[in-house]
Amino acid sequence: DAGITQSPRHKVTETGTPVTLRCHQTENHRYMYWYRQDPGHGLRLIHYSYGVKDTDKGEVSDGYSVSRSKTEDFLLTLESATSSQTSVYFCAITPDRGREAFFGQGTRLTVV
Amino acid sequence: GENVEQHPSTLSVQEGDSAVIKCTYSDSASNYFPWYKQELGKRPQLIIDIRSNVGEKKDQRIAVTLNKTAKHFSLHITETQPEDSAVYFCADEPGGYQKVTFGTGTKLQVIP
Repeated sequence: DAGITQSPRHKVTETGTPVTLRCHQTENHRYMYWYRQDPGHGLRLIHYSYGVKDTDKGEVSDGYSVSRSKTEDFLLTLESATSSQTSVYFCAITPDRGREAFFGQGTRLTVV
Repeated sequence: GENVEQHPSTLSVQEGDSAVIKCTYSDSASNYFPWYKQELGKRPQLIIDIRSNVGEKKDQRIAVTLNKTAKHFSLHITETQPEDSAVYFCADEPGGYQKVTFGTGTKLQVIP
């Protein structure tokens, strides 16, 4: 498996609280992505990064922000968690365009 | 994903039969089409991919075909086995963007 880890693996949080998920890679890959997975919706892109401090929005970015201050870390922040953000979150990395994406183990987030 | 439609959403086949999953994309500049398999409770993993300059690619029991004129690509699994039971996602990389968008997934069940 590619060197990519997500933390935490599971989290339960209350509505209205901020939450930060971390994706850490040891592959020195340029591109990093955050997806959420929900039944019937597949994998939907939240935000992605194409380099340090270079990020852009995906199709479901409302309520989320990201930061990438180092090549190896890509943080996803839920500014004020809502129940609709209960989901499984996957981080993925690729070395370049048109290349295989390697996924982290996923983070199961429950907002109560 | 918003740029790729995937059908069917569920598929049941008898062991030994073939399975076909089809995806349609919208951006004529798309040039990379991977397929990912996700077993229950695990992360998605690449099983095969194809680029726009190739019409077909095979790897043992799996194959992918690409029809650029019709803007669709398909995954073919022959001689299905129970371990092929999983959710399969197609994806495409729209031209000019550094992001991959996914279809909504097909849950394949192989009945022994």
